[in-house]
Amino acid sequence: DVKVTQSSRYLVKRTGEKVFLECVQDMDHENMFWYRQDPGLGLRLIYFSYDVKMKEKGDIPEGYSVSREKKERFSLILESASTNQTSMYLCASSLRGEGYNEQFFGPGTRLTVL
Amino acid sequence: GQNIDQPTEMTATEGAIVQINCTYQTSGFNGLFWYQQHAGEAPTFLSYNVLDGLEEKGRFSSFLSRSKGYSYLLLKELQMKDSASYLCAALDSNYQLIWGAGTKLIIKP
Repeated sequence: DVKVTQSSRYLVKRTGEKVFLECVQDMDHENMFWYRQDPGLGLRLIYFSYDVKMKEKGDIPEGYSVSREKKERFSLILESASTNQTSMYLCASSLRGEGYNEQFFGPGTRLTVL
Repeated sequence: GQNIDQPTEMTATEGAIVQINCTYQTSGFNGLFWYQQHAGEAPTFLSYNVLDGLEEKGRFSSFLSRSKGYSYLLLKELQMKDSASYLCAALDSNYQLIWGAGTKLIIKP
């Protein structure tokens, strides 16, 4: 069964802290994505990766960085957390290639920055 | 710019039929996805359309008109477990997904 897991379901951090969110998939997918989801807004792409050690900025990369050292693992890093980064963070993965490649999502991490 | 529009919220009755509309404007188009997301859970895939017409999958059907930039998701024989948000997303020319804000569907007995 297809699986994407995220390190935490709920996380509370303080302003200025460095935050690591981890995502692991067991489907041997090439593509991995980090989104944030806020009420009234669609999923917004933060960063994505097509391969190990490769990363591409999405629509809202400011304040975030990512790391992909292994194919199955994609980490999102908040260098210095701020209150406006309080959100639901969703990781997804998919096969590489053009056309219909369904994205599979993890359960999400609800991050609160105080 | 790229944009997806869908209603914020809809209410329907158990056993009835509901149609959730989605209009899109993207740079190029390579298909339209519908996802279901229950509160506090991850989105799960429902359907993908790239050609015009209706695709039926059990109680759920999805329709696409490329010339009109329009899609809808049709849910029949509504059940209480169908209460969820329904996300529309279009695949642009770079094969990036552009997401709508989602439609919260409330089912009443």
